[in-house]
Amino acid sequence: AQSVTQLGSHVSVSEGALVLLRCNYSSSVPPYLFWYVQYPNQGLQLLLKYTSAATLVKGINGFEAEFKKSETSFHLTKPSAHMSDAAEYFCAVSDRSNDYKLSFGAGTTVTVRA
Amino acid sequence: DTGVSQNPRHKITKRGQNVTFRCDPISEHNRLYWYRQTLGQGPEFLTYFQNEAQLEKSRLLSDRFSAERPKGSFSTLEIQRTEQGDSAMYLCASSLQGGRGPGANVLTFGAGSRLTVL
Repeated sequence: AQSVTQLGSHVSVSEGALVLLRCNYSSSVPPYLFWYVQYPNQGLQLLLKYTSAATLVKGINGFEAEFKKSETSFHLTKPSAHMSDAAEYFCAVSDRSNDYKLSFGAGTTVTVRA
Repeated sequence: DTGVSQNPRHKITKRGQNVTFRCDPISEHNRLYWYRQTLGQGPEFLTYFQNEAQLEKSRLLSDRFSAERPKGSFSTLEIQRTEQGDSAMYLCASSLQGGRGPGANVLTFGAGSRLTVL
């Protein structure tokens, strides 16, 4: 079965600094990988997805992620943090062996310091 | 396309009562999923439908839980004899299974229904 591990449950960055959220996946077949963002008391919003096309994926709000098969990683980055980036971020994986059901990591909470 | 709609957004109930949540997916989506999310955790899969057929139920879905999607459109999730441990956010998502477009097999989530059992 596929799974993801998010390294670090909390990340604190200064406004304007680099945001780096780490995600490693496990999958026996080529995976689809996703990053979702969740603001307080809201549902999940898709930031970006990797579905076997380009390995560097650009998403909304200036985020991007790179699929590295050799490292089984899909880390999320943003060059310059904004106060509005404060939220919880979830990495997720799906693949055809599990009929494309999503499996989520435990999440990383991002706080942005002024 | 109005996205995935969930109602009610919040429900407070007493232990032992029954509750029902409704999910209206994106109209052209044939797949519908239910997830549960507790505080500080990632969403956990509960069950999913392909059109009106329920394809899989997680072990998290006890006998007190039942989900339906009678006409392959909206879905309901009912919890009978609620317990305090049922307090969580219940998330619904839909997707278009198959096809080769950029949205194929990508889940779109609703805003969730938060349940508090007193």
